Amino acid sequence: KAGVTQTPRYLIKTRGQQVTLSCSPISGHRSVSWYQQTPGQGLQFLFEYFSETQRNKGNFPGRFSGRQFSNSRSEMNVSTLELGDSALYLCASSLDRSRGSPLHFGNGTRLTVT
Amino acid sequence: AQTVTQSQPEMSVQEAETVTLSCTYDTSESDYYLFWYKQPPSRQMILVIRQEAYKQQNATENRFSVNFQKAAKSFSLKISDSQLGDAAMYFCAYRSARTGAQKLVFGQGTRLTINP
Repeated sequence: KAGVTQTPRYLIKTRGQQVTLSCSPISGHRSVSWYQQTPGQGLQFLFEYFSETQRNKGNFPGRFSGRQFSNSRSEMNVSTLELGDSALYLCASSLDRSRGSPLHFGNGTRLTVT
Repeated sequence: AQTVTQSQPEMSVQEAETVTLSCTYDTSESDYYLFWYKQPPSRQMILVIRQEAYKQQNATENRFSVNFQKAAKSFSLKISDSQLGDAAMYFCAYRSARTGAQKLVFGQGTRLTINP
């Protein structure tokens, strides 16, 4: 069974631009969550989607948004990019939202903002 | 809010020896999960081991075992017979056991080096 797939692997953008990252969960998984990883702040939860609805949101500005499609694939969007948005963005999927449902991570998208 | 602390930014160990990575956490909940994830240079977070707070028995997975001290809010990872492939960043993580709580709270990580 294929794992969590994130595209693209690398992305370079300029300040002020916007970017869209994509995540395809493991087949059959319905919950997708996103994390930002930076050297300074470490790993921080961005948001979680289940059944096309955002269920949880971390402490990030409104420039960070996401969505989930009917096939459970998810995208996250960052508008008006800032230098501080440079990070590794990790997507994780789980079968559902039941207690203990383990999270499986993708390889991430490395975003560089210049 | 829950917090997770890993006090060792870096650790190194000789191949075939044993190493212990430390993790402490803070929570007011009584039911939760604790995890150790490994992140090699490939960047993918790989689940190493998990512990359910209501289980007193320490989890083990082959060469990996944990020492879970609930009262002390401590959750250390022991790696026995270290192998070169164990070199990676290791993250301790907390997750509430409430249904629907998919958010993981991570520690800052420990970089583990294996010396041949």
